[in-house]
Amino acid sequence: AQSVSQHNHHVILSEAASLELGCNYSYGGTVNLFWYVQYPGQHLQLLLKYFSGDPLVKGIKGFEAEFIKSKFSFNLRKPSVQWSDTAEYFCAVNSAVVRAGNMLTFGGGTRLMVKP
Amino acid sequence: NAGVTQTPKFRVLKTGQSMTLLCAQDMNHEYMYWYRQDPGMGLRLIHYSVGEGTTAKGEVPDGYNVSRLKKQNFLLGLESAAPSQTSVYFCASSWGGRGNEQFFGPGTRLTVL
Repeated sequence: AQSVSQHNHHVILSEAASLELGCNYSYGGTVNLFWYVQYPGQHLQLLLKYFSGDPLVKGIKGFEAEFIKSKFSFNLRKPSVQWSDTAEYFCAVNSAVVRAGNMLTFGGGTRLMVKP
Repeated sequence: NAGVTQTPKFRVLKTGQSMTLLCAQDMNHEYMYWYRQDPGMGLRLIHYSVGEGTTAKGEVPDGYNVSRLKKQNFLLGLESAAPSQTSVYFCASSWGGRGNEQFFGPGTRLTVL
């Protein structure tokens, strides 16, 4: 069974600080990886995704993530956060082999608060 | 396009009452999903559907039923609500191909007293 761990449950940063959120997954096969963001009171939106190719993936709003296969990790980074990045961030994984349903497995989420 | 919509946005039930949550999508997606979101646990899949007339169980299906009579709609039912079903419920849809990016609705906050 797949599982996703996000070890940082709460992160507090000041504006302009750099961000790195950890994501580790457990799965025996080839995976697709996703980061979703949920702004306060809103639904989940896709930040970025990795299917194959360049392990450094760039997403919206200046976010990027690096897939390190040997470490089963897909950490999210941003060089300089803004107050508007305050949100909850979810890492998710599914199998790269298309199966019925092809469900996503989500991590527990990381709440980021950026202080102005 | 409205994307994925959910009704209602909020609901308070008493233990033992029943209700149905409606999800609608206008993207012609084949796959639809119902999740519940609880603090510290991320999103957990309740049920999903890979096409009109089909449904399947996810990770936490007990106490819930679903139906997909029309491609654009996916209903989640609680026959006898329990306090443990207090949660935020999200619907999602996708075209079902490789990578399977899911598009989410705004959520329904349900409280069971």
